[in-house]
Order: sequence, then C-alpha cells, then structure tokens
Amino acid sequence: SQTIHQWPATLVQPVGSPLSLECTVEGTSNPNLYWYRQAAGRGLQLLFYSVGIGQISSEVPQNLSASRPQDRQFILSSKKLLLSDSGFYLCAWSIKGGVYEQYFGPGTRLTVT
Amino acid sequence: AQKVTQAQTEISVVEKEDVTLDCVYETRDTTYYLFWYKQPPSGELVFLIRRNSFDEQNEISGRYSWNFQKSTSSFNFTITASQVVDSAVYFCALSRTSGTYKYIFGTGTRLKVLA
Repeated sequence: SQTIHQWPATLVQPVGSPLSLECTVEGTSNPNLYWYRQAAGRGLQLLFYSVGIGQISSEVPQNLSASRPQDRQFILSSKKLLLSDSGFYLCAWSIKGGVYEQYFGPGTRLTVT
Repeated sequence: AQKVTQAQTEISVVEKEDVTLDCVYETRDTTYYLFWYKQPPSGELVFLIRRNSFDEQNEISGRYSWNFQKSTSSFNFTITASQVVDSAVYFCALSRTSGTYKYIFGTGTRLKVLA
C-alpha cells in the first residue's frame, strides 16, 4: 500500500530563517506531487505541483520554492521566512493518467515568530 | 473561473442526528470531477469520494451519502445517525479533466457532533 510521509511534524522558526520541509511517498512510482498551505481557519491553497523529477509548477508567487530531486521526494524551501508563511503545510500525491483523488500526508505545522 | 462554495462555516448536531453539508460549485467546463475530504483534528485530509460530472447517480457508503445535482451545481454530503467521530472539517473540491488536474477547494465546513 502507498504511504506518504512528511517531516517535521511541527516547526517554530524565526522570521528571516531558512525553511526545508520534506515529503516522501512509498509504494508508488512516478506520482504527481503537490504542496498545499492551509492558514488557520482557512481552506487549502495549492502552492506547487510536480509531474516528474525536476518539473515544478508554481501556483502562487511567494518567497517559497519547491524541488523534486527524486521521483518520490518533494521538498518545500524558503531562504527567508516571513510571518505570513505560518500555516499548516500538506503534501499530497496522485497517480497519473487522469483525474484521480489526491492522498495527503500528515502535514507540518509551521509557526514563524 | 472555477469556484466552490461551502456556505456553512460550522454546524453543530447532537449524536444520532442526520446532517447535510452543502457544496455549490461554479465551472464552465462540461466535464469535471467533484470530491469530498474529511479533515479530523489530527490535520490529515482523508479522501471520501470522487464523482465524475457524467455520473449523476447518488451514492451511499454506510452512513455517508452524496447527492449530486447538475441542475443546481450542487454536490451535497449527508451523514446519517452522526457520531462523535464524525466531528471534523469537511472540504468539497472541484477539478478540471484536463491540464494540471489541480483542485479548487471550498473553505470547508466544521462539523461538531455532540454526545
């Protein structure tokens, strides 16, 4: 069966510090991968999606970036965090070839102080 | 443009009551997909259902049922005999059938089931 991991689970970082969140998927190959952010009490906002290694599409201009160095690894980064980057970050995957359900990881709760 | 509206921000019911969560969507596409997800307090989104716009049949899965009405652009979700474990935020989402397949999420409905 497929499993998606995210770490860390929680993170408290000062403004201006760098960020690296990691997501890995097990049990499937060549998935589509997604990064979402959920602000407190709000819906989900798609940040990035990837259809393959090195292929990243950005949905929202911001100071975040994403990379996919391996087929089942998706990394969300920032060089300098802003207060507005606080939120709940969710990674998800789906199979290719059509519109299929996305399966979400446990999330990372980021607080920028 | 595509849009999903979940007008009910929060609903509270007493255990064993039935509850319906509303989802209204907007799209110019003739084919699309609709989804429902559950987000329990732990935070992880749990997939509940995917529905193709061509399939307007209602679906039942245990205590869960979904009513898809293309004429009113609605995809409502009903929980029968609610339980405390149903307490969560529920999201409705819309996806195109081509391109990036990204979801457009509604803002969610928080359901509180009281014992």
